[in-house]
Amino acid sequence: EDKVVQSPLSLVVHEGDTVTLNCSYEVTNFRSLLWYKQEKKAPTFLFMLTSSGIEKKSGRLSSILDKKELFSILNITATQTGDSAVYLCASQGGSEKLVFGKGTKLTVNP
Amino acid sequence: DTAVSQTPKYLVTQMGNDKSIKCEQNLGHDTMYWYKQDSKKFLKIMFSYNNKELIINETVPNRFSPKSPDKAHLNLHINSLELGDSAVYFCASSHRSKGATNEKLFFGSGTQLSVL
Repeated sequence: EDKVVQSPLSLVVHEGDTVTLNCSYEVTNFRSLLWYKQEKKAPTFLFMLTSSGIEKKSGRLSSILDKKELFSILNITATQTGDSAVYLCASQGGSEKLVFGKGTKLTVNP
Repeated sequence: DTAVSQTPKYLVTQMGNDKSIKCEQNLGHDTMYWYKQDSKKFLKIMFSYNNKELIINETVPNRFSPKSPDKAHLNLHINSLELGDSAVYFCASSHRSKGATNEKLFFGSGTQLSVL
């Protein structure tokens, strides 16, 4: 069965710190890996990765995929309190369903 | 305009009742989903419809029955509600044809179901 594992499950940092969130996956016939941010309500899309080694960047957030080692990381530099959220990693394989990990709860303290 | 809207936002009901959650998307997407998020924030797919055709049906009790009258709507009906059904239910949509690489999902704001 397809599986996505995220680590750490929770993380508490101070404003200005840099964080790295990890996501490993076991998916048959891999198609894509996605990162979402969930604050109070709906998860909102951050990145979709399909190729190894190509960094995707959006402001202070960036993400990269390693299809050989079957993992992805999400980096957030100069964290702000508004970055506090649950970050979800998901992957799609041949089954066509998007399988989510359990998320990393990030808390950024002032 | 809300892209994916679901109603109601909150639903409190007694065990044994039957309830429905409605979802509509105005993004022109061809695929819609229902996800269940438990108290530990774990999001798990329940159903997926592509152009009104059921394409994913996870191991979900048959008390849960999705209905897609058209590709912009996917409703979820739940019979004989149980305590364990308490969770947040998210509707989502995406634009992809069956067999193609998944596009990003757009989520609704969720329906918090509490079964007493």
